[in-house]
Amino acid sequence: ETGVTQTPRHLVMGMTNKKSLKCEQHLGHNAMYWYKQSAKKPLELMFVYSLEERVENNSVPSRFSPECPNSSHLFLHLHTLQPEDSALYLCASSQGAGGTSPLHFGNGTRLTVT
Amino acid sequence: EDQVTQSPEALRLQEGESSSLNCSYTVSGLRGLFWYRQDPGKGPEFLFTLYSAGEEKEKERLKATLTKKESFLHITAPKPEDSATYLCAVQVTGGGNKLTFGTGTQLKVEL
Repeated sequence: ETGVTQTPRHLVMGMTNKKSLKCEQHLGHNAMYWYKQSAKKPLELMFVYSLEERVENNSVPSRFSPECPNSSHLFLHLHTLQPEDSALYLCASSQGAGGTSPLHFGNGTRLTVT
Repeated sequence: EDQVTQSPEALRLQEGESSSLNCSYTVSGLRGLFWYRQDPGKGPEFLFTLYSAGEEKEKERLKATLTKKESFLHITAPKPEDSATYLCAVQVTGGGNKLTFGTGTQLKVEL
């Protein structure tokens, strides 16, 4: 596999469920990101990991919990979500978290909270 | 506060009808301006990075230009396969690799 792979592609969950989103990058990058994309809104940065250390947490509610066990894998653990959390969640990677190297995105997980 | 505004919100073109998309930005200090293309059901795909006013980059039918206040994405003789949402994002000095995105221009090219 090449690029950035996200699973699952679609997820429907109730407000009391716990689920996890998975991201894997095959590009040899050392920085990984979670973004949220809602209709008619700009992409919102949620978390940044550089060399497996969280370097940014963009005021995200605690019901979203990221995990980066190594430089190739990134998870987003979800619990007690709200309907307004329904969105496309995008994972991205780049070479370095402080330079201008472009982000490479996965195809996202479409999350629906019922 | 850093801001990125893209216009128009949506654009319909006939095949071969050239046009331009606009990305206006207000930032404390620009480190880089990025253009991405996003197809339905997919993640954004990187197109260009521009760093300083006067810079231009080209790829097939696309050409991106940059001034101190805005960037244009010129599409010459577009084809239906150019239909997508085009996103602009800025990276500011001292902001790490954080990107501030615009809401995008949805382009549809018809036969």
